[in-house]
Amino acid sequence: GEDVEQSLFLSVREGDSSVINCTYTDSSSTYLYWYKQEPGAGLQLLTYIFSNMDMKQDQRLTVLLNKKDKHLSLRIADTQTGDSAIYFCANGASGGYNKLIFGAGTRLAVHP
Amino acid sequence: ETGVTQTPRHLVMGMTNKKSLKCEQHLGHNAMYWYKQSAKKPLELMFVYSLEERVENNSVPSRFSPECPNSSHLFLHLHTLQPEDSALYLCASSQARTGYQGRTEAFFGQGTRLTVV
Repeated sequence: GEDVEQSLFLSVREGDSSVINCTYTDSSSTYLYWYKQEPGAGLQLLTYIFSNMDMKQDQRLTVLLNKKDKHLSLRIADTQTGDSAIYFCANGASGGYNKLIFGAGTRLAVHP
Repeated sequence: ETGVTQTPRHLVMGMTNKKSLKCEQHLGHNAMYWYKQSAKKPLELMFVYSLEERVENNSVPSRFSPECPNSSHLFLHLHTLQPEDSALYLCASSQARTGYQGRTEAFFGQGTRLTVV
């Protein structure tokens, strides 16, 4: 099947690092993605990783991919209150139209 | 306007009503999607249109009927809905290329918050 699983909630203190985890079942995709959804808004692409990489860093964001365990994580360094949002892991399943399979989303709450 | 626009933003309808959700994209994309977002559940892919042809229909009840008259517009026609259909309905678009498994970015609208009473 095409499943993507994430924990539903994460609370961190401002300035700490946040780590959001995701597991997936379909390993045929060539890209995996992280999307961010702020209150009242649609989803916006945050970052992505090519499946033959195991790490990607983009400013405060670090994506780690363990293909063997089918595990993806997103680390946000120096988490700020503006990072409070729902973060979705997505697997780019095969198909000419590049179908995305999403998890349930992890709600990140940042407190002072 | 740019991006993906959905109307209305909020909709309250009775179980016997008929209504339609509208999505419009100004990005020149050729694939459009309807997703359903319910609390604590994975984002559910409902329908996919690629090059104006429906390519996927994930066992969605017939009370939801999509329509894609051209590559820029997508509708979701609703009739005799149930209270459990209350959710945020998201439209997205992307540029699809046949046989291509490269990176693609899906652009989402802000969604229509649907409440069935």
